[in-house]
Amino acid sequence: DGGITQSPKYLFRKEGQNVTLSCEQNLNHDAMYWYRQDPGQGLRLIYYSQIVNDFQKGDIAEGYSVSREKKESFPLTVTSAQKNPTAFYLCASSSPSGGGGELFFGEGSRLTVL
Amino acid sequence: AQSVTQPDIHITVSEGASLELRCNYSYGATPYLFWYVQSPGQGLQLLLKYFSGDTLVQGIKGFEAEFKRSQSSFNLRKPSVHWSDAAEYFCAVVLYNFNKFYFGSGTKLNVKP
Repeated sequence: DGGITQSPKYLFRKEGQNVTLSCEQNLNHDAMYWYRQDPGQGLRLIYYSQIVNDFQKGDIAEGYSVSREKKESFPLTVTSAQKNPTAFYLCASSSPSGGGGELFFGEGSRLTVL
Repeated sequence: AQSVTQPDIHITVSEGASLELRCNYSYGATPYLFWYVQSPGQGLQLLLKYFSGDTLVQGIKGFEAEFKRSQSSFNLRKPSVHWSDAAEYFCAVVLYNFNKFYFGSGTKLNVKP
């Protein structure tokens, strides 16, 4: 079955450490997204990518980095510069990237900073 | 500023009662509109979407939504709620030919037996 796979589902990190969240899709979608979800704040866009080797900052990109070396993969690195990284992170994809396609979501990754 | 507003943070309804969740948007043009549902600790699942045409759209699980251009609203409805509908619901919009989806802050639905 086609879908989006996020890993790990749960991740614990010590302060000062970088962590990378994986997102893989086999939907052949061009566009991929990372959202952060905090209680009562809905989903906030971190980064998005419309094509391979290209990505744009979303509304809360500070302290995060991404890469898009393959169409299927869009990993997110939460760096030590992110001041409040504890959150639920959602990866999504869509097609066509030019609008009109809905977002398909992974099951999410919960990051906790100890 | 562009925004999506879900004015109700929490709603409690009795099983079998009708449901309406509100969503208003603020954009210069009519966007594409979506409703998603999220169970705790899970990703989001699409309930329905509106692109154009008939302003009353049908979705999965017996949900429907009505687009009202004059009110910039896209309210979600269900005639008879089931206990399994308890979840959080998100309204989302995207402008045509753009890639940034904007989400409301969500409405948590509690269903009383």
